[in-house]
Amino acid sequence: DGGITQSPKYLFRKEGQNVTLSCEQNLNHDAMYWYRQDPGQGLRLIYYSQIVNDFQKGDIAEGYSVSREKKESFPLTVTSAQKNPTAFYLCASSFARGDTQYFGPGTRLTVL
Amino acid sequence: AQSVTQLGSHVSVSEGALVLLRCNYSSSVPPYLFWYVQYPNQGLQLLLKYTTGATLVKGINGFEAEFKKSETSFHLTKPSAHMSDAAEYFCAVSDSGNTGKLIFGQGTTLQVKP
Repeated sequence: DGGITQSPKYLFRKEGQNVTLSCEQNLNHDAMYWYRQDPGQGLRLIYYSQIVNDFQKGDIAEGYSVSREKKESFPLTVTSAQKNPTAFYLCASSFARGDTQYFGPGTRLTVL
Repeated sequence: AQSVTQLGSHVSVSEGALVLLRCNYSSSVPPYLFWYVQYPNQGLQLLLKYTTGATLVKGINGFEAEFKKSETSFHLTKPSAHMSDAAEYFCAVSDSGNTGKLIFGQGTTLQVKP
């Protein structure tokens, strides 16, 4: 089955630790996105990538980093510089910029 | 700048009643518009989208939405609510710039009462 997988589903982190969230897709999509969801705030774009080995900052990139070494994979690292990392993180992909985006099941990150 | 406003953070209807979730957008160019649904602790699922052409768009699970340019609206409707429709609904507009990102509204939680 084609789709987007995210792991882990739940993640707990101590303050000061970096953590990496996984996002993999087998839809052969070129574009991939990371969004952060907070209650009552909709979704906000963290980073996006339109092609392998290239990515751009979104609206709230501070404290986050990404890589895009393979078409299928777009991992997100939440660094210790992110002031308030507790949130629900959603990965999405599309064939190209502006096309319909399809979402993964999300990772809920909690900082203890 | 583009933006999306969803009127009403919570909407409650009885089972079998009409569902109406409101969405207004601002965009300087013809927009691509989307409705997504999210069940608790899950990702977003596409309900329907408008790109060009027919302004009444039919989606999954009996939902439809009408693009009204003059009112800058894209309201979501369903003639008869089912208990399984209880979820959070997001309206989004595709960014007209180079990012391809989606600009989301705040979301509307739909409650369906038996």
